[in-house]
Amino acid sequence: GAVVSQHPSWVICKSGTSVKIECRSLDFQATTMFWYRQFPKQSLMLMATSNEGSKATYEQGVEKDKFLINHASLTLSTLTVTSAHPEDSSFYICSAWLGFEYFGPGTRLTVT
Amino acid sequence: DAKTTQPPSMDCAEGRAANLPCNHSTISGNEYVYWYRQIHSQGPQYIIHGLKNNETNEMASLIITEDRKSSTLILPHATLRDTAVYYCIVRGGNSGYSTLTFGKGTMLLVSP
Repeated sequence: GAVVSQHPSWVICKSGTSVKIECRSLDFQATTMFWYRQFPKQSLMLMATSNEGSKATYEQGVEKDKFLINHASLTLSTLTVTSAHPEDSSFYICSAWLGFEYFGPGTRLTVT
Repeated sequence: DAKTTQPPSMDCAEGRAANLPCNHSTISGNEYVYWYRQIHSQGPQYIIHGLKNNETNEMASLIITEDRKSSTLILPHATLRDTAVYYCIVRGGNSGYSTLTFGKGTMLLVSP
């Protein structure tokens, strides 16, 4: 089956710094990728839809200037959390579209 | 997309069949029923999907009622590794992508 990877799997950063998370489709090309966020004991919440070569579409309530998404190639989308704060600590999960969504393993972000 | 209703939790003995119900009474004619599962601290894993006919793959079977208002995911011989949150999601037709809306799902606990 199709494989989606994320890097890093976990990251700790200090408040005020920025952190980049990569999402790669390893054995297929994905025009469309998605970014989700999941807080403890809650379900996944869609943050944005990322289309290769165009601007991402953000869900209501998600700050596009804080969560920068770049989908520069058909196999790579990146999410940069700018000026991170402790409330941004969460589990970030990406997925890639190939008929339906294949999910990555997730990235645990902790902001201290 | 139509909303789904699932029981919050279920228990199953190892080796027995696990039958997970889902209600989707407002499903429309071109909407598919998808099942994903999420093992703790991992990204969701695709299980199966269907439109109106019953479907089976190496992981599970999906039984959709004739009126399409409900469905059941069947894991024929549950193992401890099947312990996870199972999400039933209804989404639009297969032509082009449409986003997934995750509800709270069913926490399936498989016990020895």
